Amino acid sequence: GESVGLHLPTLSVQEGDNSIINCAYSNSASDYFIWYKQESGKGPQFIIDIRSNMDKRQGQRVTVLLNKTVKHLSLQIAATQPGDSAVYFCAAISGGSYIPTFGRGTSLIVHP
Amino acid sequence: EAGVAQSPRYKIIEKRQSVAFWCNPISGHATLYWYQQILGQGPKLLIQFQNNGVVDDSQLPKDRFSAERLKGVDSTLKIQPAKLEDSAVYLCASSFYRGNTIYFGEGSWLTVV
Repeated sequence: GESVGLHLPTLSVQEGDNSIINCAYSNSASDYFIWYKQESGKGPQFIIDIRSNMDKRQGQRVTVLLNKTVKHLSLQIAATQPGDSAVYFCAAISGGSYIPTFGRGTSLIVHP
Repeated sequence: EAGVAQSPRYKIIEKRQSVAFWCNPISGHATLYWYQQILGQGPKLLIQFQNNGVVDDSQLPKDRFSAERLKGVDSTLKIQPAKLEDSAVYLCASSFYRGNTIYFGEGSWLTVV
């Protein structure tokens, strides 16, 4: 089955720095990927998504990069703010099963 | 646009008791998901509905968990009897259709003592 993993359980950055959170997936049939932010006591909040026909997508202060060759995606947050402190999850969905699979999450800690 | 609604937000029960969680997805969303999230882990899919039909329930512990979405709108997840290891957040999510963006509710926090 699909497995999705994040490279680091915790990432600490200074306010104003850029943050990069990485994620690897196992199923080469995965063709849709979503990044979520989960604050303490809340449900996961959609941040940005990307489909396999793209290798980069930008949002407000966030960029997702997809490398299908090595089955890796990353979330870049520009000018990280204290409000960005949360756990970030990537989810992978394959077109065949449409079953979304989540990784364990990376906890982003932003120091003022 | 209203988000995914869940209730209750918090529930504490004793082991072997039963509990039910309710979810109302975003209006017009055909696909509904129930996830279990244990502290420190990512969400694990329990069951996926497409309208009122079950698409996948391979990870649902069917001896104690049940879920229904009779009219293809709101859904109920039941646990009976509960075990200590069922302590988790139960997240409901919905998407317009399978393979579309999935939106989550705030979750129902269950503690089994």
